[in-house]
Amino acid sequence: EAGVAQSPRYKIIEKRQSVAFWCNPISGHATLYWYQQILGQGPKLLIQFQNNGVVDDSQLPKDRFSAERLKGVDSTLKIQPAKLEDSAVYLCASSFGVLREQYFGPGTRLTVT
Amino acid sequence: QKEVEQNSGPLSVPEGAIASLNCTYSDRGSQSFFWYRQYSGKSPELIMSIYSNGDKEDGRFTAQLNKASQYVSLLIRDSQPSDSATYLCAVNIGDSNYQLIWGAGTKLIIKP
Repeated sequence: EAGVAQSPRYKIIEKRQSVAFWCNPISGHATLYWYQQILGQGPKLLIQFQNNGVVDDSQLPKDRFSAERLKGVDSTLKIQPAKLEDSAVYLCASSFGVLREQYFGPGTRLTVT
Repeated sequence: QKEVEQNSGPLSVPEGAIASLNCTYSDRGSQSFFWYRQYSGKSPELIMSIYSNGDKEDGRFTAQLNKASQYVSLLIRDSQPSDSATYLCAVNIGDSNYQLIWGAGTKLIIKP
């Protein structure tokens, strides 16, 4: 069974530029999560989808971050414009359902200069 | 505010010994508990989930849950250098049916 796929793996951009991350969850997993992880901290949930509907986006900085999950499968997370403090690893995870085991993709390491 | 607390470590354990990792949580209504392992530069990897009071064993790993005392622990028997990693605890918020709160993790070092 294929795991969660993410791209790109690394991205370096200048502040005020935009960036997009892509995620393909495990086949059959209805729930998809985007996390931000800063070095030395646990993952911070940005947004959670159930199929193609948003379940929780309370910690998503909506003035600069946006996410969508078209057709309830793939998802894209966008940052526009980026700030220095957005430098982090962005993790995508999926699960069969809410509060079930989450499986993570390899992550995207973003550096904003 | 709902919290999950872990000792940041590092916790140093000799090879072959038992490593004991602890996690406390603030929400008495929490029902789902997860342990993840994260190697440096890698993404979190699920080790175990536990939902009921008591022990759950999987190979060298044992998760222990005590809801009355609001803690969950992970024991690693016969520790190997390859177990050296950061271990993350995640707990659901009791009054929500979908949200997890993550601890900051405990760094474990297994010394040969």
